[in-house]
Amino acid sequence: DIQLTQTPSSVSASVGDKVTITCRASEGIYSWLAWYQQKPGKAPNVLIYAVTYLQTGVPSRFSGSGYGTNFTLTINNLQSEDFATYFCQQGNSFPVTFGGGTKVELK
Amino acid sequence: EVQLVESGGGLVKPGGSLSLTCAASGFSFGSYLMTWVRQAPGKALEAVSTINTGSTYIYYADSVRGRFTISRDDDKNSLSLHMNSLRHDDTAVYYCARQHRSRNLDVWGQGTTVTVSS
Repeated sequence: DIQLTQTPSSVSASVGDKVTITCRASEGIYSWLAWYQQKPGKAPNVLIYAVTYLQTGVPSRFSGSGYGTNFTLTINNLQSEDFATYFCQQGNSFPVTFGGGTKVELK
Repeated sequence: EVQLVESGGGLVKPGGSLSLTCAASGFSFGSYLMTWVRQAPGKALEAVSTINTGSTYIYYADSVRGRFTISRDDDKNSLSLHMNSLRHDDTAVYYCARQHRSRNLDVWGQGTTVTVSS
């Protein structure tokens, strides 16, 4: 199975900050990478798919980049509703696998 | 409205069995791969089982292979997960999710909680 390593596991930030989360795959996954946001007690919601494409309704302060094994999720101008846990997910091969998650907390 | 609704979770003793169901609505269920994803308390997400369209390909995580069985009924727009020989480490929230052609899971249910405890 393809392993996804997310860093950092947690980050403390303030409203208005820029937050960057990285996801490294154990082998190349081309552009088959998605990012999810999850709030406590709720199911994950896809934010970005195929590395750079924003899901409908996702604010443009979210962006993704990368290819192959190294990927990044960037949140510009962090808003209060963005405090949550974020997961990356690869879809290059079965099974789909997820990163360990990054919790974005209020500083 | 595109929707997935899970049911069937509950408290079960180690070694027991439980069946989960996911009811789909608002989309052409038979046209999508479907996956069960679980999340143990405070842990990351784990894809437990995936079934393709036509049920010709089925994947199981090593941790559940031989104990869990996934199936789908496209006529009833329904996905199932039958779980046998349950263990403490099967305790989790179980989600069903639709796999988009872009290979992300674009629709999720609200989740159903499975607790394995004596």
